[in-house]
Amino acid sequence: AAGVIQSPRHLIKEKRETATLKCYPIPRHDTVYWYQQGPGQDPQFLISFYEKMQSDKGSIPDRFSAQQFSDYHSELNMSSLELGDSALYFCASSWGGTGELFFGEGSRLTVL
Amino acid sequence: KQEVTQIPAALSVPEGENLVLNCSFTDSAIYNLQWFRQDPGKGLTSLLLIQSSQREQTSGRLNASLDKSSGRSTLYIAASQPGDSATYLCAVFLDSSYKLIFGSGTRLLVRP
Repeated sequence: AAGVIQSPRHLIKEKRETATLKCYPIPRHDTVYWYQQGPGQDPQFLISFYEKMQSDKGSIPDRFSAQQFSDYHSELNMSSLELGDSALYFCASSWGGTGELFFGEGSRLTVL
Repeated sequence: KQEVTQIPAALSVPEGENLVLNCSFTDSAIYNLQWFRQDPGKGLTSLLLIQSSQREQTSGRLNASLDKSSGRSTLYIAASQPGDSATYLCAVFLDSSYKLIFGSGTRLLVRP
């Protein structure tokens, strides 16, 4: 069965650079969620989209933005990167409001 | 604000023991509760999903219960094996929202 696809899996950036993470949800899933997991921490909710509209927002820095496109894939854009942005970024998808989330393998961002 | 707490934070047991992991949440207005497993540096694997109207779910050696009114869930692992060593996270999906809130996890080590 198809799963949530995230790319790139690993990314290394310098401080103040920009990074873009992509997420391809499970086919027919219309809701996408982004999470950030720092070392030794639990996943923190950033933002979610339902039918291409922002549906909920968490502790997402103003330097970050995200959107969901017409094909339901989503991108998380991170600008002016800081050392503290180094983390594992997860994308998850679900069908509507079922609340059953399926997670991708994550994108590991390292900021030097 | 919904807070999810997991006890214990870490657990080390010999192989073969039956285990109980605890999860509590402060706001009973949840849509569902999910238990996940996470290996170090890896993604989140969904183990069990309990809808708010359900009391328990079972999958193989795993059994999860939910007492929504008291804000508690337990994950029971029968006949533990070294391969069960991982971090176990519980998470609640809030009513009228599009986000999953995670607990801080229980790190389990099953010794051969």
